[in-house]
Amino acid sequence: QVQLVESGGGLVKPGGSLRLSCTASGFTFSDYYMSWIRQAPGKGLEWVSYISSSGGTIYYADSVKGRFTISRDNAKNSLYLQMNSLRAEDTAVYYCARGGMFMDVWGKGTTVTVSS
Amino acid sequence: EIVLTQSPGTLSLSPGERATLSCRASQSVSSSYLVWYQQKPGQAPRLLIYAASSRATGIPDRFSGSGSGTDFTLTISRLEPEDFAVYYCQQYGSSRTFGQGTKVEIK
Repeated sequence: QVQLVESGGGLVKPGGSLRLSCTASGFTFSDYYMSWIRQAPGKGLEWVSYISSSGGTIYYADSVKGRFTISRDNAKNSLYLQMNSLRAEDTAVYYCARGGMFMDVWGKGTTVTVSS
Repeated sequence: EIVLTQSPGTLSLSPGERATLSCRASQSVSSSYLVWYQQKPGQAPRLLIYAASSRATGIPDRFSGSGSGTDFTLTISRLEPEDFAVYYCQQYGSSRTFGQGTKVEIK
């Protein structure tokens, strides 16, 4: 079945780095735009970034521009989010999702906590 | 950036009742590029409606979306126990933004 599984979350100190991964299965990964969306504890959803099927088109929310880098490896059916210069306000559940305009398949999420 | 404002913040209803959720945009959403998601506690969001009024695969017909321009509505015709959740609207006509959510709770 169609599935997205995130990994790589954890506890990191302010200013630190973390790399999230998302492995896709059950569909042709290379045909789809992919996105990262996050949700801070008790808060709403915030779109973070998306990448086109080939990787040639990328957009970031202003809140992460210059600090986060999205990438993908279509041969490995994998999506990544490199997060640098992390701040307390980046603490959230990070979801990988299929689609670049709207998201029709979501992973269960991975938790990132930025704290000293 | 298009700001989406959802109302009410919380809707208290009983099973079987009709739920009407509003999503208002700060400027017109081009081509009705608006979607609705449902999120239950501890779960990822689920796509309900895309292009303002088209139901996603497997979504029951008690869910319907309408609207255009700056005013959009999600209607649940008769609430089932599993419909009590938080609902978010999202636009993709200009960048991508979410509303703050409407919680539908059991009265």
